[in-house]
Amino acid sequence: GDSVTQMEGPVTLSEEAFLTINCTYTATGYPSLFWYVQYPGEGLQLLLKATKADDKGSNKGFEATYRKETTSFHLEKGSVQVSDSAVYFCALSDHGGANNLFFGTGTRLTVIP
Amino acid sequence: DGGITQSPKYLFRKEGQNVTLSCEQNLNHDAMYWYRQDPGQGLRLIYYSQIVNDFQKGDIAEGYSVSREKKESFPLTVTSAQKNPTAFYLCASSMAAGAGDTQYFGPGTRLTVL
Repeated sequence: GDSVTQMEGPVTLSEEAFLTINCTYTATGYPSLFWYVQYPGEGLQLLLKATKADDKGSNKGFEATYRKETTSFHLEKGSVQVSDSAVYFCALSDHGGANNLFFGTGTRLTVIP
Repeated sequence: DGGITQSPKYLFRKEGQNVTLSCEQNLNHDAMYWYRQDPGQGLRLIYYSQIVNDFQKGDIAEGYSVSREKKESFPLTVTSAQKNPTAFYLCASSMAAGAGDTQYFGPGTRLTVL
C-alpha cells in the first residue's frame, strides 16, 4: 500500500542554519507529493507540491525535488528563521484512486535565535 | 474571504454522548474530507465526499458518521461507539476528487471527551 516515511524529530536549529527534512515514499502508481506545515494550534497549510518526477516545488525559500529513482521528496531551506518553527508533514496522493492523502508522522522543527 | 471554517475550536463532551463537528467551505469545492490527528502522529482519513449526497469511508471510519446534503457543508458526528474520540479533527476540501488536487485545510477542532 501507499505510505510515507519521514525523518523523525524533533529538529532544533539555530537561525540561518541549513535545513533538510527527509521524506521517502512507497506508492503503487505515480503519486503527487506535498509538504504541509502546521503552526501551533492551527490546521495544515500547503507549503509546496510536485506532481511528476523531477519537478521541483518551492515556496517561501523552501524547496523539494520529486526524485522517482530514490522515491524521495526531501524538504530543504538554505537559511531558516525563528518563524519557520512548526511541524512539517510530507504527504502523497496516488493517481490510481480518489484524491486521498497519505501522511508521514510529521517532523517538529524549532529554530532558536 | 474564501476558506474553510470549523467550529467550535475547542469542544468538551462527556463519555457516551454523540457530538457533531461543523465544517463549512465557500471555495466551491466538490470534494471534502475529515482527518483525525493524534499527538506525534500524522493525519488519518476518517471519511471523504467527492460530491453532494455521496461519501465513502476512509481508513478509520468506525464510530463516526457524516452527511453531505449541501456542497459547502460536511459535518462529522463522533458517536459513542468511537472508543477513543479525544483528538484534533481537521476538515479539508479540494476542487475535485481527482488525484493530485491540492487539499486545503480548516483550522481544526480539538475534541476532549471527559
